Amino acid sequence: GENVEQHPSTLSVQEGDSAVIKCTYSDSASNYFPWYKQELGKGPQLIIDIRSNVGEKKDQRIAVTLNKTAKHFSLHITETQPEDSAVYFCAANPGPEYGNKLVFGAGTILRVKS
Amino acid sequence: TAGITQAPTSQILAAGRSMTLRCTQDMRHNAMYWYRQDLGLGLRLIHYSNTAGTTGKGEVPDGYSVSRANTDDFPLTLASAVPSQTSVYFCASSLTGSVGGEQFFGPGTRLTVL
Repeated sequence: GENVEQHPSTLSVQEGDSAVIKCTYSDSASNYFPWYKQELGKGPQLIIDIRSNVGEKKDQRIAVTLNKTAKHFSLHITETQPEDSAVYFCAANPGPEYGNKLVFGAGTILRVKS
Repeated sequence: TAGITQAPTSQILAAGRSMTLRCTQDMRHNAMYWYRQDLGLGLRLIHYSNTAGTTGKGEVPDGYSVSRANTDDFPLTLASAVPSQTSVYFCASSLTGSVGGEQFFGPGTRLTVL
């Protein structure tokens, strides 16, 4: 089955700097890759996603890149702010036969120091 | 709009006892999911339902059961709790069970089994 690995497990950056979180997946049939943000005491919330027919997607300060050949995808946050501090999860959908089921990475705790 | 609600917020349960975690959504979403979140393991899918009247097993279904009698409710039952079921449980829903549908998460239930 699909396996998603996420690195680093924790990341501390200075306010204004960029943050990058990387994930690898094992199943080449995976075709949908969302990123979720979880604030303390809350459930995860979708912040951006990318499908396998696109190499990059951007939404204001956040962007996601996908390398299908290498089977990895990354989340980039620019000009980080204290409110970006949270746990971030990457996920992969193993393919259409799996419906909308997701396999999640272990998460990255991002701390933005002001 | 409430979105997804979960009850209880937290619970301490003696090993061997049964418990039902409740999940209700008011978005008329067809698909619903139960995940458990453990430190270092991310979110793992327990059971899912693509539409009322149907359910399916996720990655870690053992020891759990679900039912989907109507669109809005998706209860998760632990028939005989064990300490390894200590976790934070999240319910989620998406408009459809097809690939790429945003999953909306509830606030979670923190369960401790002693």
